[in-house]
Amino acid sequence: AQKITQTQPGMFVQEKEAVTLDCTYDTSDPSYGLFWYKQPSSGEMIFLIYQGSYDQQNATEGRYSLNFQKARKSANLVISASQLGDSAMYFCAMREVSAIMDSSYKLIFGSGTRLLVRP
Amino acid sequence: DAGITQSPRHKVTETGTPVTLRCHQTENHRYMYWYRQDPGHGLRLIHYSYGVKDTDKGEVSDGYSVSRSKTEDFLLTLESATSSQTSVYFCAISTGDQPQHFGDGTRLSIL
Repeated sequence: AQKITQTQPGMFVQEKEAVTLDCTYDTSDPSYGLFWYKQPSSGEMIFLIYQGSYDQQNATEGRYSLNFQKARKSANLVISASQLGDSAMYFCAMREVSAIMDSSYKLIFGSGTRLLVRP
Repeated sequence: DAGITQSPRHKVTETGTPVTLRCHQTENHRYMYWYRQDPGHGLRLIHYSYGVKDTDKGEVSDGYSVSRSKTEDFLLTLESATSSQTSVYFCAISTGDQPQHFGDGTRLSIL
């Protein structure tokens, strides 16, 4: 069965420093996608970044980058130059292709990492 | 925002009562999803829809039913609410393999 593991329940980082949030996954499907979402204290889920299993390069979106190591089955999120507004819960998720409709994908989420940025 | 409205945003009800949560989208996206979020579990899929009247079960579908009679509306129903269904419920939409975009959530408390 497909599974996402986030082993860091909570982390601290100093403002302006970089931080890496860990995510490992398990799947036997050769085609999959990995996502990161941010959930601030206000509760909404915000999409940050996506990496496809066949993508040759690591995804980047502004200060966010994804360190994708396929052989190790890891998809760590790197946030550069942390800001106070980065304090939030971060969820890693994997796309699972539906058995019925292969374009109707379902997401499997990890349990999340709470990041606190210190001033 | 992706044009997703969940209603109500907060609800308190008693065990055994029926509850319906509504997700409304203005994006005309084909796919809609209901998740629940509980401490220590991240988000777990309850049901999803891949078109009008087309739905399928997710990981934690027991005790829930859904309906989608129009593209824009996806309803989640708890026929007889139990305290274990106290949670935060999120609706999401997508066009397919694009990232899912989420509503703001409904906080449901069952006493």
